[in-house]
Amino acid sequence: DIQMTQSPSSVSASVGDRVTITCRASQGISSWLAWYQQKPGKAPKLLIYAASSLQTGVPSRFSGSGSGTDFTLTISSLQPEDCATYFCQQANSFPLTFGGGTKVEIK
Amino acid sequence: QVQLQESGPGMVKPSETLSFTCTVSGGSISGYYWSWIRQSPGKGLEWIGYIYYTGSTDYNSSLKSRVTISVDTSKNQFSLKLNSVTAADTAVYYCARWGTRSSGQGAFDIWGQGTMVTVSS
Repeated sequence: DIQMTQSPSSVSASVGDRVTITCRASQGISSWLAWYQQKPGKAPKLLIYAASSLQTGVPSRFSGSGSGTDFTLTISSLQPEDCATYFCQQANSFPLTFGGGTKVEIK
Repeated sequence: QVQLQESGPGMVKPSETLSFTCTVSGGSISGYYWSWIRQSPGKGLEWIGYIYYTGSTDYNSSLKSRVTISVDTSKNQFSLKLNSVTAADTAVYYCARWGTRSSGQGAFDIWGQGTMVTVSS
């Protein structure tokens, strides 16, 4: 199985800051990576698919990049409503696997 | 828009079978892949398996011996059965639509609200 490792496990930043989250795959996954946002008590919400494609309706301050084994999710200007846990997920091979999550908080 | 709604028990006894149904509303189950995913504090998010509307399936090898996913297109529903449950199966269970790599997505674009299941005697 492909292991997905996220870092950091948590980040605290101020409103308006740029926030970057990293996801590393244990082997190359081309661009088959998705990012999700999850708020407490809610289901995950798809933000980014195929490493850099923005899901319809997601604010443009969210962006994704990377290929192979290293990927990043960037929030260009952190907003209060972005407080959540973010997960990556690889779709290169089955079983589909997720990262452990990064919790984003407002300082 | 398409919405998913899980239904199932909140508690199951050890060694019993956990059963869930996911109802698709606002769209057809046909033409898509549908998945079950669970989330526990200890293991994070874990993909359980998927079913295509035609009935073809694939399961996570870690659960394959205990899992069955089925589909009823006439009811716009798909279901999960997990047998011989233990406390390790305690989790929030989600149903979700899987956008395949051939569609260019490779992601779960629509999720149900999730249902917590506790395995306890």
